[in-house]
Amino acid sequence: QVQLVESGGGVVQPGRSLTLSCAASGFTFSTFGMHWVRQAPGKGLEWVAVISHEGDNKYYGDSVRGRFTISRDNSKKTLYLHMNSLRAEDTAVYYCAKGYIVATIFDGMDVWGQGTTVTVSS
Amino acid sequence: AIQLTQSPSSLSASVGDTVTITCRASQGITSALAWYQQKPGRAPKLLIYDGASLESGVPSRFSGSGSGTDFTLVLRSLQPEDSASYFCQHFHNNPPLTFGGGTKVEIK
Repeated sequence: QVQLVESGGGVVQPGRSLTLSCAASGFTFSTFGMHWVRQAPGKGLEWVAVISHEGDNKYYGDSVRGRFTISRDNSKKTLYLHMNSLRAEDTAVYYCAKGYIVATIFDGMDVWGQGTTVTVSS
Repeated sequence: AIQLTQSPSSLSASVGDTVTITCRASQGITSALAWYQQKPGRAPKLLIYDGASLESGVPSRFSGSGSGTDFTLVLRSLQPEDSASYFCQHFHNNPPLTFGGGTKVEIK
């Protein structure tokens, strides 16, 4: 079945870096744009970033632009989020999500992972 | 950035009621809007795509409408399992792809 599994979350000190991974299965990963969305404790959803199906176009939310980098390895069916200069306000559950329409970057999201928790604290 | 304003932020209704949630965009986004349902501790679930298209497997008591700046999600014949938070999200070609603030639906 179509599945996304995130990993790499944990506790990290402010100013440090962390990389999240999202392993995809059950669909043709290389044909869909992929997103990262996060949710701080008790808060709503915040869109973080999107990458096109071929990896050549990337867009970011205002609060992470310049600090986070989204990337993908289509041969490994894996999405990544490299997070630098982490702040307390980056503490959240991070979800990866699959775009709805083939080869579309600005899109809704029809499949979500279970999320991985990132806690930024000294 | 396009802002999405959802209202109400929370509501309480009885089984069998009809509830309406609105999402207003700060500028026109054609029909590029999705609605999601999220239950506590779970990932969001896509309900409605492109303003009004019901996602496969979603009960027909859910419906969406709207275009431009004003959108609505209607839940008819409310069921206990509809207790959740609901979020709108735009995917117009004007990133970032923001979410609305959410609406928490409680069943009395």
